[in-house]
Amino acid sequence: DGGITQSPKYLFRKEGQNVTLSCEQNLNHDAMYWYRQDPGQGLRLIYYSQIVNDFQKGDIAEGYSVSREKKESFPLTVTSAQKNPTAFYLCASSIVSQRPNTEAFFGQGTRLTVV
Amino acid sequence: GESVGLHLPTLSVQEGDNSIINCAYSNSASDYFIWYKQESGKGPQFIIDIRSNMDKRQGQRVTVLLNKTVKHLSLQIAATQPGDSAVYFCAENTSNQAGTALIFGKGTTLSVSS
Repeated sequence: DGGITQSPKYLFRKEGQNVTLSCEQNLNHDAMYWYRQDPGQGLRLIYYSQIVNDFQKGDIAEGYSVSREKKESFPLTVTSAQKNPTAFYLCASSIVSQRPNTEAFFGQGTRLTVV
Repeated sequence: GESVGLHLPTLSVQEGDNSIINCAYSNSASDYFIWYKQESGKGPQFIIDIRSNMDKRQGQRVTVLLNKTVKHLSLQIAATQPGDSAVYFCAENTSNQAGTALIFGKGTTLSVSS
């Protein structure tokens, strides 16, 4: 089945460690996105990528890094520089990021807990 | 900065009632809007979208209204069911030189009681 897959669903890490969240899509979408969601809050954009080997910072990129070496994959690394990394992370993809607009499809999320 | 927001964080309705969820946006250049539904512990799911050249769009039991004059968006759910209980987000497609991305509001939690 086509879709967007995030793994793992739950992730625990010790404070000070870097951790990488996986996002894979087989929808042949050009654009991919990472959002962070805190309890009772909306989604805040971390990074997005229009095409392979290119990505842009969103509103809250500090403490995060990404790569887009393949069209299907857009991993997010939460670094030790991120001061409050515990959150629900959502990955999304869309057919094109330019006009005409289309909706983004979301994965099921990764809940990261840093202890 | 420019952002999309919702008027009420929570909305409680009885089963069978109609629900109206509101959203105000500030970027007058935005030309595409989406409503998403998010159930607990899951990713958002697309409900309905609307482009700025339209005032109204209907789906199955849902209607989105767009008022560009006051930069207001609403989602109407007819005959609300317990399965409609979730958090609803409006999202605005915004562009800059780097490309486009969806910007989300904070969400409205809809609770439907039987």
